[in-house]
Order: sequence, then structure tokens, then C-alpha cells
Amino acid sequence: LAKTTQPISMDSYEGQEVNITCSHNNIATNDYITWYQQFPSQGPRFIIQGYKTKVTNEVASLFIPADRKSSTLSLPRVSLSDTAVYYCLVGRGGTSGTYKYIFGTGTRLKVLA
Amino acid sequence: EPEVTQTPSHQVTQMGQEVILRCVPISNHLYFYWYRQILGQKVEFLVSFYNNEISEKSEIFDDQFSVERPDGSNFTLKIRSTKLEDSAMYFCASSPGTQYFGPGTRLLVL
Repeated sequence: LAKTTQPISMDSYEGQEVNITCSHNNIATNDYITWYQQFPSQGPRFIIQGYKTKVTNEVASLFIPADRKSSTLSLPRVSLSDTAVYYCLVGRGGTSGTYKYIFGTGTRLKVLA
Repeated sequence: EPEVTQTPSHQVTQMGQEVILRCVPISNHLYFYWYRQILGQKVEFLVSFYNNEISEKSEIFDDQFSVERPDGSNFTLKIRSTKLEDSAMYFCASSPGTQYFGPGTRLLVL
């Protein structure tokens, strides 16, 4: 299972773009990279998933270089409500099989007014 | 948008009692999971389940734990004889691939 490493915490101001980078040097060929957001006492909430290059949805972008050993979650124009813990996880995505996520400590993002 | 739901949201029990935590996965999902998070700690994998069988379990998931899919919609986690250290948030997840998590059940063992 690929281990991920991400910064323990980050501070940002409202309206700024936030980029959180995750390294996953041992990512396997069939692993996807998935980011989740977690608020206190709530379940992890899916943000975005990708395999390679760039993926964008209505809340975030995910940049994955060609070697896939790292990825960057980009949150445009954060607000106070984006204060949360962000987890980078790798595991089989797609549509087949069960797999377990190994959660790290995540990145605690604090957005300041 | 379909969501994973869990009941109860909170449960308080006495040590040694049995508890059953319930989950309703997203309806067309085939793979199911339980994770737990002790207060202030990481989210930990407990068990994965597919086709009415456990696919994988962690060392936490000992003989006190069991999972069941009693009907076409529910997925349950039973703890036979709760211990103080079982106090945690328990999250159910379901997937076709990407895992979607429920809101959790906060279990407090006294």
C-alpha cells in the first residue's frame, strides 16, 4: 500500500488559492489518488479523484505529474468554511474490488479572515 | 445526491454490552467498509465486505466484531462485548470504486 506524506498544517486567508501537495512515492500502477475533506465529528467527504494529469471539478483541481509520485490539491479562493483536515489517499479506484485506505494525519487547513 | 446514512448518530453503552451500528450504503454500490476514528486520532480501517463476505479486515477487527448485510439495504457492525477503548466515531463507507463515507456514529462506552 502506498504511503502518503503531506504537510501537517497550513494557514491561508480568505480569497486566496491554497495548494496542498502530497507525496506518494510507492504508488502502484492501478492506484488512483483521492482527496477527502473532514470537518470535526463528521465523515470524510470526497473532494476529487484522479489518475494522471489534471482533473477539475466544481470545488477543486488536482494536478498529477507524469511520474505520479506526488499530487497537488488546489482550492481556489478559500473561505472560512474550508477550514478542515484534508487527506490525500491512494488506492484502487475505478469500479473494481475492495481496497482499504490508510489514512495519515492529513493536512489541517486553517482559513483566516 | 445519494448519500451513505448511519444510525444512530450517537450511542452510549455500558462496558460489556453489545452494540449494533447500522449503515445504509448508496443503493447501487457493491463494496462496503467500516472505519473508526478515536477522538484526536487517525481514521483507521476495520473491515471491507463484498458479496456477503469479508474481503479484508484489520488487526483491530477481532472476534468481538462482526459485520452483516441482513437485507438488501442495511450493512451492520456489531460489537459483542464493548470495551472502554471501543469509544470512537465509526464510519461506514460504500463504493463502486471511490469510497463515499457516512456521517458516522459516535460510540461512547462507559
